[in-house]
Amino acid sequence: GAVVSQHPSWVICKSGTSVKIECRSLDFQATTMFWYRQFPKQSLMLMATSNEGSKATYEQGVEKDKFLINHASLTLSTLTVTSAHPEDSSFYICSAIQVPEAFFGQGTRLTVV
Amino acid sequence: KQEVTQIPAALSVPEGENLVLNCSFTDSAIYNLQWFRQDPGKGLTSLLLIQSSQREQTSGRLNASLDKSSGRSTLYIAASQPGDSATYLCAVRNSGNTPLVFGKGTRLSVIA
Repeated sequence: GAVVSQHPSWVICKSGTSVKIECRSLDFQATTMFWYRQFPKQSLMLMATSNEGSKATYEQGVEKDKFLINHASLTLSTLTVTSAHPEDSSFYICSAIQVPEAFFGQGTRLTVV
Repeated sequence: KQEVTQIPAALSVPEGENLVLNCSFTDSAIYNLQWFRQDPGKGLTSLLLIQSSQREQTSGRLNASLDKSSGRSTLYIAASQPGDSATYLCAVRNSGNTPLVFGKGTRLSVIA
């Protein structure tokens, strides 16, 4: 199947700093990618839809100025958590679709201290 | 808005048992349904994908069925093993380019 690569797999940062997470489709082009967040023992919740060459679409309750999404090419989407706070600590995972199946990155565990 | 429910939330069985995990969704007009496995602290492993026109899919000891009209899917695991212990997630998509909507998962423990 198709491969989606996500980096880093884990990151620890200080409060107030920014963290960038990359999501790449390695063997296919993805005009649309999705970013999810998962808190401990919870399911995956969609944060935003990343569209190549245009603005991302954010789900209700997700701050677009805090979670900056850039989809500059057909194989790369980035999520930047700006001015991170401890409550942003979570598991972030991206997804891209190669019809008909959705493929996922390995996920990034973010810890803000 | 599509909602996915999984029952039970947790399940503990002795090794060797056959078991069924249930998934239901509110909007039956789905494009497809996927079952995933997630180990603690890890990402997702795709287990089975069922297109809306299909009734079931099989992979090894796993069998997933889909009854689209009633909004239900089941994941059947035969001869369970301790290595099957994980959280199993059900997710649906309503069209070809829309995101998956996930259930909360079933935490499975298979006791040796």
